[in-house]
Order: sequence, then C-alpha cells, then structure tokens
Amino acid sequence: AQTVTQSQPEMSVQEAETVTLSCTYDTSENNYYLFWYKQPPSRQMILVIRQEAYKQQNATENRFSVNFQKAAKSFSLKISDSQLGDTAMYFCAFILYSGGGADGLTFGKGTHLIIQP
Amino acid sequence: DTGVSQNPRHKITKRGQNVTFRCDPISEHNRLYWYRQTLGQGPEFLTYFQNEAQLEKSRLLSDRFSAERPKGSFSTLEIQRTEQGDSAMYLCASSNRDTQFYGYTFGSGTRLTVV
Repeated sequence: AQTVTQSQPEMSVQEAETVTLSCTYDTSENNYYLFWYKQPPSRQMILVIRQEAYKQQNATENRFSVNFQKAAKSFSLKISDSQLGDTAMYFCAFILYSGGGADGLTFGKGTHLIIQP
Repeated sequence: DTGVSQNPRHKITKRGQNVTFRCDPISEHNRLYWYRQTLGQGPEFLTYFQNEAQLEKSRLLSDRFSAERPKGSFSTLEIQRTEQGDSAMYLCASSNRDTQFYGYTFGSGTRLTVV
C-alpha cells in the first residue's frame, strides 16, 4: 500500500518570507504522479502543483516550486514571497499510473500553513 | 460549467437516521470519486466510478454506505443508520481519462454532523 507522510502539522511564517513544506511517500512502483493541494478554510481543494515521477526536472508554478528527490521518496513544496492568501491546509498527494488511476489519490494528513502579516 | 457541485453543504442528522448526498461533476468528466475527510486528516478514498460503473471501493466503505451513479452523470452517496463516527466532510471529485493524472477537480464538500 502507498503512504504519504507530512511531518509538519503546522507552520507559521511572516508575509513575504519563503517557506518549505515537507512530504515523503512510500511505494514500490516506479511510475506515479505527485501533487500538492491547497485547502483554504471552508473552501474547496485546489491543485497547486504537479510532478511526474519520470521527470527529473522539478515543477514550478509562479511562486510555487517543488524539490522532487525520487530516490529519497521526498517531494517538498517551496512557497516564495508568501502572501496572506497562502494561509491554508496543504496536502501532499500521490497516484499510481498503473491501474489507470482507479485507486485514486492517496493524501497525507496535511500541513496547516499560517502566513502572518 | 461551474465545476463540481455538492449538495447539501451541511447536514446535521440524528444517530440512526439515513442521509444522502449528491455530487454533480463537470459535465465532460466520466470519472467520479468520493472521499471522506475527518478533522485534522487528509481525504481518504471511498469509491470510484467510471461512467455508471463503480470500479473501486475502499475498505472504509462499510455495508452502511452505498454510492450510485445511475446515468453516468451525477452521483449519490447514502449512509444508512448513521453513527457519530460518520461525522466528516464528504468530498466529491471528477476527472476524465485525459486529466486523471493532472489532478482532480474537487467540490466544496458536504459536512455531515451526526448528533
């Protein structure tokens, strides 16, 4: 079975600072996809960034970037120039390519990120 | 298309009652997923539909839970004889064959409170 571990239940940084959220996962498969989702308070889950396991290049989306270390099974999210609107729960998630995605996403427990003014 | 829609947003029910939630996915998405999210936890996979066929069910989906997607469009999730442990946010998500590995589109969820 696949597992996703987020070891930081809560983080707090000042506005404009850079913050890194950690995620590790466990699988014996070689082909999979990794995601970071953002869930603002009382609002829906939004995809932040996606990484294909077969790509060595780290994904970036504006202020968001990842550090993907396949051998270490690590997938951290870096948020640069953090903004008040970045305050949310952040979930790391994983899906296997095999099985056509029928097993669905496996999520970590989340990190509550608070951006202080 | 306004995205994935879930109704109701909130449901309070007494223990032992039956409840039903509805999910309307993005119209061109043929894949639909139900997740359960308890307080302080990440979402946990419950079940998956491809068109009207229910192709995967988690062990979390006990006999009191049933999900349907009769015409391959909207889906319902019914919980019979609710228990306090069923209190959670129930999330629906959809995708299609081309987007399933690009991240699902989630609805806003239905928050169930069993008293």
